[in-house]
Amino acid sequence: NAGVTQTPKFRVLKTGQSMTLLCAQDMNHEYMYWYRQDPGMGLRLIHYSVGEGTTAKGEVPDGYNVSRLKKQNFLLGLESAAPSQTSVYFCASSNGPQAGGNQPQHFGDGTRLSIL
Amino acid sequence: AQSVTQLGSHVSVSEGALVLLRCNYSSSVPPYLFWYVQYPNQGLQLLLKYTSAATLVKGINGFEAEFKKSETSFHLTKPSAHMSDAAEYFCAVRGAGGYQKVTFGTGTKLQVIP
Repeated sequence: NAGVTQTPKFRVLKTGQSMTLLCAQDMNHEYMYWYRQDPGMGLRLIHYSVGEGTTAKGEVPDGYNVSRLKKQNFLLGLESAAPSQTSVYFCASSNGPQAGGNQPQHFGDGTRLSIL
Repeated sequence: AQSVTQLGSHVSVSEGALVLLRCNYSSSVPPYLFWYVQYPNQGLQLLLKYTSAATLVKGINGFEAEFKKSETSFHLTKPSAHMSDAAEYFCAVRGAGGYQKVTFGTGTKLQVIP
């Protein structure tokens, strides 16, 4: 009964390094999302996916790339990390609109990323 | 475009007192509204969601919210606060039709004083 699993839970990077955050869901959800959470700013959508093989930009996509090669996995990549990307990153998943418009999102426990 | 405003980034109540967390939304279409709760070092969990079937929505842990279209509000309440309610609460709105992103409020941290 895992739900949404994010790895790693913590990471410290140096400026310019690259890394990939992994999100896996076992609920057969169509939609997946990556958010960042910063103090006083709520959650901001980075990228999202409405199905396997498709991705789209959210409101703060610069500096990030994503891939969804398998329905259950959604990867977030930082090509060249910058201190401004220090944040807590959350992955979420949900059913698509065909299941009804009030489908909630299910969240992982987050990845705490520090860029030095 | 849709938006959500949560009034008060921090709210303090005494244990046993009424909890009232405010949320106002704007949406050009009938909205889908949600309240989520976030405990320290955890992700967001669904507290309740609005469906058109009823304006008063009951959620988990004794929380409820009332949808008031005339006031464009969806305030969260609980009659009696418990220490375990201390957390951050987020209101969210999603537009109808096709893919519509969810817009989250900036959150309200609830402190419960013994």
